[in-house]
This record gives sequence, structure tokens and C-alpha cells, in this order.
Amino acid sequence: AQSVTQLDSHVSVSEGTPVLLRCNYSSSYSPSLFWYVQHPNKGLQLLLKYTSAATLVKGINGFEAEFKKSETSFHLTKPSAHMSDAAEYFCVVSDRRGSQGNLIFGKGTKLSVKP
Amino acid sequence: DGGITQSPKYLFRKEGQNVTLSCEQNLNHDAMYWYRQDPGQGLRLIYYSQIVNDFQKGDIAEGYSVSREKKESFPLTVTSAQKNPTAFYLCASSRLGTQRSGENIQYFGAGTRLSVL
Repeated sequence: AQSVTQLDSHVSVSEGTPVLLRCNYSSSYSPSLFWYVQHPNKGLQLLLKYTSAATLVKGINGFEAEFKKSETSFHLTKPSAHMSDAAEYFCVVSDRRGSQGNLIFGKGTKLSVKP
Repeated sequence: DGGITQSPKYLFRKEGQNVTLSCEQNLNHDAMYWYRQDPGQGLRLIYYSQIVNDFQKGDIAEGYSVSREKKESFPLTVTSAQKNPTAFYLCASSRLGTQRSGENIQYFGAGTRLSVL
């Protein structure tokens, strides 16, 4: 069975400092992994995706994530936080074997950015 | 502009009432989905549809119903049987091909917030 665990429910950083949002996954098959961002009362926007190509994935707004199979991790990072990065972030796993809409969402990490 | 439109943005339900949430997409996507979002719980799948006139239950389908009469439309009805309907509801769509390859990139609407009066 697939699952995804976001290790922190809330992360707070100062503007200009690095961001690290942690995600561990469990999958019986070769997974596809995604990070989505949600600003308050908005829908979800895709930040980046991993689908078995390069293990270091670059996304929008300066975010990137590294797929580490040995650690079953897909942590999201950004070198320098901006006030506009304050939002909720979701790590998502999709089973490659699936032929239907099976995305498994983590419970989310709320990122706060202090001036 | 291509995208997914959900309406209304806010909706209130009275006791014993059925309410319908609208979801329309002009992305020419075959697959559409409904999710429920509660604080601290992430997103949970209610129903999904891969083709017109066909849909499948997700993890929490009880108390909800859907229809897919047109490719671009996937309305969700929250019935009186759903005893705890207060939540944020999100509709999404994707190309069918990306599902089968496992990539399954879903695009989301802006959501409908449902509250009980």
C-alpha cells in the first residue's frame, strides 16, 4: 500500500533563509511524486513532479526536491524564502501501476515566513 | 483562459437539504475528481470519473453523489445523508493518458467552502 508522511505540520522561517519541508513515502512500486502548494482558500497548484527521470527536480518559484530511494524521501527545498511562499504544501504519491485516479496526499505542512 | 471553474465559492446547507457543487473544465481532460479537505487531514477522494457516463467511488463516497453527462462537467451533490458536510471541496481534472503512465498530473479548481446553517 502507498502512503506519504509529511514530517512537520508547521514550519516557520525568516525571509531570506532556507526552506526545508520533509516528506517520506511508502510505495510497493516505482512511484511518481509531486509537491503541490495551496494558498489560503485557493485550489492546489503543482510545484514540481518526479517521474523516474532525474532525481533532482526543479520546480516553479525556485523550489526543488530530491528523490532519494534509499531513504524513501522527497524533501522540498528553497535556498531563500520569500514572504509570498507562505502557504500550505502537500506531498503526493502516485502508484505507477495505477490505472485510475489514485493520488495519496500527505496531511500538509503549513509554511510561515517571518519578515 | 483554460482552467477549472468551481461554483459557488461559498455555500450554506440547511438541515435535511441536498446541495450541488458545480465543476466545469475547458481543458479537454477526460478524467475528473472530487476531493474533500478538512483542516490537518489533507485531501480525501470522494468520486472520480474517467469517461462520460461512468464514475467510481473514492475513499469517502458515502453521503455524496455525482453525475458525468458531459465531458466538461462533473457536479457533486452533498445529500442529507452526509452528516458532517462542513469542509472545503476541491474539483480536479487530468488527461487520461497521464493516469495510465502513473504521472497523473491533476489540475485543481479554486474550491467551494460548504458550511451548515
